[in-house]
Amino acid sequence: NAGVTQTPKFRVLKTGQSMTLLCAQDMNHEYMYWYRQDPGMGLRLIHYSVGEGTTAKGEVPDGYNVSRLKKQNFLLGLESAAPSQTSVYFCASRTYRTYASGNTIYFGEGSWLTVV
Amino acid sequence: KQEVTQIPAALSVPEGENLVLNCSFTDSAIYNLQWFRQDPGKGLTSLLLIQSSQREQTSGRLNASLDKSSGRSTLYIAASQPGDSATYLCAAGTGGTSYGKLTFGQGTILTVHP
Repeated sequence: NAGVTQTPKFRVLKTGQSMTLLCAQDMNHEYMYWYRQDPGMGLRLIHYSVGEGTTAKGEVPDGYNVSRLKKQNFLLGLESAAPSQTSVYFCASRTYRTYASGNTIYFGEGSWLTVV
Repeated sequence: KQEVTQIPAALSVPEGENLVLNCSFTDSAIYNLQWFRQDPGKGLTSLLLIQSSQREQTSGRLNASLDKSSGRSTLYIAASQPGDSATYLCAAGTGGTSYGKLTFGQGTILTVHP
C-alpha cells in the first residue's frame, strides 16, 4: 500500500547545484502535481501533469522543470538551486475519473530541501 | 486570482469541546472545496470534499459546510480529542476544469489538551 512515494526525504544543496526529486505513485492515476509549502504561505502549485508525456506550469514554476516519461513517475528538477527554493516539496496524484462524491487527492509525505 | 484565508491561525482547546474552523475564498467560481489534515513532518490527508453543488459533507465527528455565495466554508469538529491535534488546511478547487488544481489556505494549527 505505498500510495505516493517521494525520494529523497531530506537533502541539503549548495547554491548553484542541481538535483531531481522523484515522485512515484502505484494507483494508476492520470493526474500528478508538485507543490511547495513555505511557512505562512500554504501550499503553492509548481507544475502538474494530466497524463504521461504532458506537463504544465502552475502558480510558481520559475526555477523548476518537470518530466512525466512514465505514468507512475513525476520528476521535479532544480537546475541551479537558490536559497529561495528552500522549502518542503509535496507530490500528489488523483484519478481523472469524476465521481459524484468527488475525487480524493493523495499526497506524499514530503521532501525537505535546504539550499545553502 | 483565487485567494484562500483561514481563521484562526491557531486554536487551543480542552478535550471534549466542539469547535469550528473557518475558511474563506475570494472567487466563488470553485469546482469543489476540500479540507485536509496535516500531522507534523507528514503529508496531507484528505478529510472531506464538498462539490460546488453541495452544501455540506459529514464524516464521523467532522462536518464541513460550503456557502459559495458568501465565499465561506466551515469545518466543525464535535467532541474534540487530543488525537485531533494537527494542522487543518482548506483548499479551493478552481480552474474550471477537472484537473484538480487546488488553492490552499495557510492552515489552522489545532491543539487539543487532555
